[in-house]
Amino acid sequence: AQTVTQSQPEMSVQEAETVTLSCTYDTSESDYYLFWYKQPPSRQMILVIRQEAYKQQNATENRFSVNFQKAAKSFSLKISDSQLGDAAMYFCAYRSLNYGGSQGNLIFGKGTKLSVKP
Amino acid sequence: ETGVTQTPRHLVMGMTNKKSLKCEQHLGHNAMYWYKQSAKKPLELMFVYSLEERVENNSVPSRFSPECPNSSHLFLHLHTLQPEDSALYLCASSQDRGGIGGTEAFFGQGTRLTVV
Repeated sequence: AQTVTQSQPEMSVQEAETVTLSCTYDTSESDYYLFWYKQPPSRQMILVIRQEAYKQQNATENRFSVNFQKAAKSFSLKISDSQLGDAAMYFCAYRSLNYGGSQGNLIFGKGTKLSVKP
Repeated sequence: ETGVTQTPRHLVMGMTNKKSLKCEQHLGHNAMYWYKQSAKKPLELMFVYSLEERVENNSVPSRFSPECPNSSHLFLHLHTLQPEDSALYLCASSQDRGGIGGTEAFFGQGTRLTVV
């Protein structure tokens, strides 16, 4: 079974600085999706960025980028020019490329709480 | 607004009550999910419906009963809950293409449930 590990329960960053959130995962599959979700105090889970494992190029979305290391099974999120609105829980998630029974479901890490200091 | 709406936002219920959580998605997706989010625990997948058929039931106690009358609506019926069932219940939807893995899930804002 696949697992997702986020080893940093809490992180803090100064406004306008850069922060990197770590995520590792375990799988025997070769193709899959990886996601970072953000959950602000409003509680709604919002997709930040996604990565297809078969793509070697790291995904980027404005100030958010990932460092995807497939061999190391690592998928870190870098937030550049941090803003106060970035403060939230961040969840790393894995999804199999195959769908059938439980295979296609999202598997989440425990999350990292990010604080942004003004 | 991501197109997934959950009601109510907050619910306090006694252990002998019966209540229902509602989820509606306006995204044209064909799969819907219930997740439980407790403090300091990973999100727990409870139920999955794909094309209105339940495809996953992760050993959830029978006091939780899902219902999916159509591809846009999902309910979670609650009865004789326990205090440890207090949590945030999140609904999500996605577009799954049969045997091929689907896209990312879109979430509602959740229902904060407190069992007293």
